Amino acid sequence: DADVTQTPRNRITKTGKRIMLECSQTKGHDRMYWYRQDPGLGLRLIYYSFDVKDINKGEISDGYSVSRQAQAKFSLSLESAIPNQTALYFCATSDRLAGQGEETQYFGPGTRLLVL
Amino acid sequence: AQSVTQPDIHITVSEGASLELRCNYSYGATPYLFWYVQSPGQGLQLLLKYFSGDTLVQGIKGFEAEFKRSQSSFNLRKPSVHWSDAAEYFCAVGSFGNEKLTFGTGTRLTIIP
Repeated sequence: DADVTQTPRNRITKTGKRIMLECSQTKGHDRMYWYRQDPGLGLRLIYYSFDVKDINKGEISDGYSVSRQAQAKFSLSLESAIPNQTALYFCATSDRLAGQGEETQYFGPGTRLLVL
Repeated sequence: AQSVTQPDIHITVSEGASLELRCNYSYGATPYLFWYVQSPGQGLQLLLKYFSGDTLVQGIKGFEAEFKRSQSSFNLRKPSVHWSDAAEYFCAVGSFGNEKLTFGTGTRLTIIP
């Protein structure tokens, strides 16, 4: 979805390096998410944010941190990358219809990360 | 805890044939259900979603899915597949008050001429 962009699209780094993956959206959504995708495991939630001041851990947050710089920007950092963090990372945003609880998530194109 | 099972890791169908991809979920309350498609090298695109109402939902690209509460299923169907449908398909479940989506492990679809 062109309304959700991720940079970089591909990244190779070395063990122990700090890297940041960035996500921007023009959808005007308050909620943003970071997932990782591994073959055979589907998508797993790393962190999510309901607004600039509200950040929450997902099921696999260890080794990651996030920053919500603005409503439209949500960054994921690997403080000290390790090889098992090699994966495809997706950012998503969601629209929640006020008072109804229905929510649809829209995904960016993904960042493919290789940690050597 | 909610969970999603996609029992078929890989399915191969002939172009023009019908398709059904299976999805079973586990959740105590009324689920919100989604199908996403991931084409090679691409992100996830929403195909369709179910929140409430008519249990047969229509999506993009000619896909439809039927919510069957008694079977805890939300299977995806298409009457006639095209070569461009080759991709990986993910079923996901969410719910009111629980903003996190839980994804299945995906089904890879191969189309043969």
